[in-house]
Order: sequence, then C-alpha cells, then structure tokens
Amino acid sequence: DAMVIQNPRYQVTQFGKPVTLSCSQTLNHNVMYWYQQKSSQAPKLLFHYYDKDFNNEADTPDNFQSRRPNTSFCFLDIRSPGLGDAAMYLCATSETVRVNTEAFFGQGTRLTVV
Amino acid sequence: GEDVEQSLFLSVREGDSSVINCTYTDSSSTYLYWYKQEPGAGLQLLTYIFSNMDMKQDQRLTVLLNKKDKHLSLRIADTQTGDSAIYFCAEILNYGGSQGNLIFGKGTKLSVKP
Repeated sequence: DAMVIQNPRYQVTQFGKPVTLSCSQTLNHNVMYWYQQKSSQAPKLLFHYYDKDFNNEADTPDNFQSRRPNTSFCFLDIRSPGLGDAAMYLCATSETVRVNTEAFFGQGTRLTVV
Repeated sequence: GEDVEQSLFLSVREGDSSVINCTYTDSSSTYLYWYKQEPGAGLQLLTYIFSNMDMKQDQRLTVLLNKKDKHLSLRIADTQTGDSAIYFCAEILNYGGSQGNLIFGKGTKLSVKP
C-alpha cells in the first residue's frame, strides 16, 4: 500500500497560472519535505515541515509556497509558474529529523508548464 | 561547497557485478545514502552507511566508504534487469542534523543488458 501519495501524477499548467500539488501520508510522520527534480539533475530540497514548523531553504524562490493543514497533508503552491519550473516534484516524509531516519518518497508529480 | 559527483551512465550485462561510484565534498557528513529511482517513480532508499564504517553489506549490495578520499561506491552483485534504474548517492550535512539537508548527486543511470 502506498504510504506517501502524490496527486496528480502529471500536471499541466499555463504560464503564470497558480498551481497546487498535493501530498498525503499514512505514516503519521512528523516531517514532510518537498523536492524539485529537473531533468537529469539531482533532487533539490525546497522546504520541509517539522510538524507545523516551516523550514524554507535559503535559495528557494518566493514563487514557491507550502501549506500543511494537518499531519497527513502537505501542499506545494506555485504562485506564478514559469517555464523553468517544469520539473518532477517529490514529496517525502520521515519520522524525525535525526540524520539516520529514513525518508520515504512519493512517486512524484511531473509538472509541465505551457 | 556542497557537491556530490557521480558518473551519469553505467551499462552492464545481466549476471555481472555493477559498481557505481560517488565522490562527496563534506568531510563532516555523518551518513551517506544510496537511493534507487525507477522510471516514473519516487526515490527508494537502498542502503546507507555511517561515516565510521568502511563497508556495509546487505544481500547483493555492498557499500564501500573511503573517508580519506571522500569516495563512496555501491556494488550490486549478480545484476538483474530489474536493477535497471537511476541510482543516487546522497550525503547529509552535519550542521543541523536534519534529514532535510540531504544533498543528492545527479544520479547514475544503470542499464542492464540481457
């Protein structure tokens, strides 16, 4: 059974039109992460939530926002998508933020901007 | 700086051993990870090694760590067609101790020929 579920798997949005990607988890983990993975590149952390505490990476553009209304759900909002935002977006969870804690990844949402 | 380097492609024949190499830059990294990504899927943690270890074996997987040279390798014995995927090396930075500070390489695409 899928433990980290991302919807939709594929999303097409128009240039400049706000879009929201969703992630849900059945693991009851405290930490949820959003990564951006562009073609042939390494996944890059955008931000993460430890419970309700939001942690933004220094180089994450303001165009990217996140919401975590409860333990199970986390959303990635792209306020004005540009062509350069086309990528695979990966959600992950972990029980804690200790370094030896495994991160569980969803299958990703592939975003296309037209 | 933070950088994880991997060769981008590796091709082997079924039944042979595969060795995927990685170099990292942060000597204070406490844990080093190997993730597998199958086409269209998220990342799956394969194995990890703590920085005070030289080797870790888990069934067909052997991880070797050379801290002096900051070199990590993943050996897959008796490689199968189902092992075809992209393999990401990742290090976790020491500051903060957060899983969110995973730094990924660009991934090595392993192709297994029958």
